[in-house]
Amino acid sequence: EIVLTQSPATLSLSPGERATLSCRASQSVSSYLVWYQQKPGQAPRLLIYDTSNRATGIPARFSGSGSGTDFTLTISSLEPEDFAVYYCQQRSNWPLTFGGGTKVEIK
Amino acid sequence: EVQLVESGGGLVQPGGSLRLSCAASGFTFNSYWMDWVRQAPGKGLMWVSRINSDGSSTSFADSVKGRFTISRDNAKNTLYLQMNSLRAEDTAVYYCASGRVVGAPDYWGQGTLVTVSS
Repeated sequence: EIVLTQSPATLSLSPGERATLSCRASQSVSSYLVWYQQKPGQAPRLLIYDTSNRATGIPARFSGSGSGTDFTLTISSLEPEDFAVYYCQQRSNWPLTFGGGTKVEIK
Repeated sequence: EVQLVESGGGLVQPGGSLRLSCAASGFTFNSYWMDWVRQAPGKGLMWVSRINSDGSSTSFADSVKGRFTISRDNAKNTLYLQMNSLRAEDTAVYYCASGRVVGAPDYWGQGTLVTVSS
């Protein structure tokens, strides 16, 4: 099973600041890395698939990069609605696995 | 508008059974792989099971293999998860999910809570 490790666990930032979230895989997932946003009481929302492809309706301030085992989600300028938990997930191998999440909170 | 609506959750005793349903609308259900993903209270996400578009291929997480069964009725646009021999650690919100990219769902239901407790 591929283990995904996200860092940091919590990111305290102010609106307008840049957020950089990391996801490291225990083995290569090629480019098959996915990012979700989840707010309390809601289902996850797909942001990015296959490293860098934004899902439908996702603003351009969200971008993804990386390959192999190291990946990054960047939010260029935080909006109030971006404060949430972010999960990475690999779709390279079954079982599909998620990282433990990064909480982006208001500083 | 795409909708996935789960039902069937509730309180069940350890060792008991429950069947979850997920009613789909707004997309061509019989063309899409479907997934069940769960989230224990206050915890992260875990993939439970998946089924291909015609139901001929299924996969399960090791922790549920042999206890859970996934199926679908394409005539009714409905996905199922039969859960047997339930354990306390199966307590979670169960989401059904799907999307245009297999393994990266952009359609999610609202979730249904399963609580396994005596």
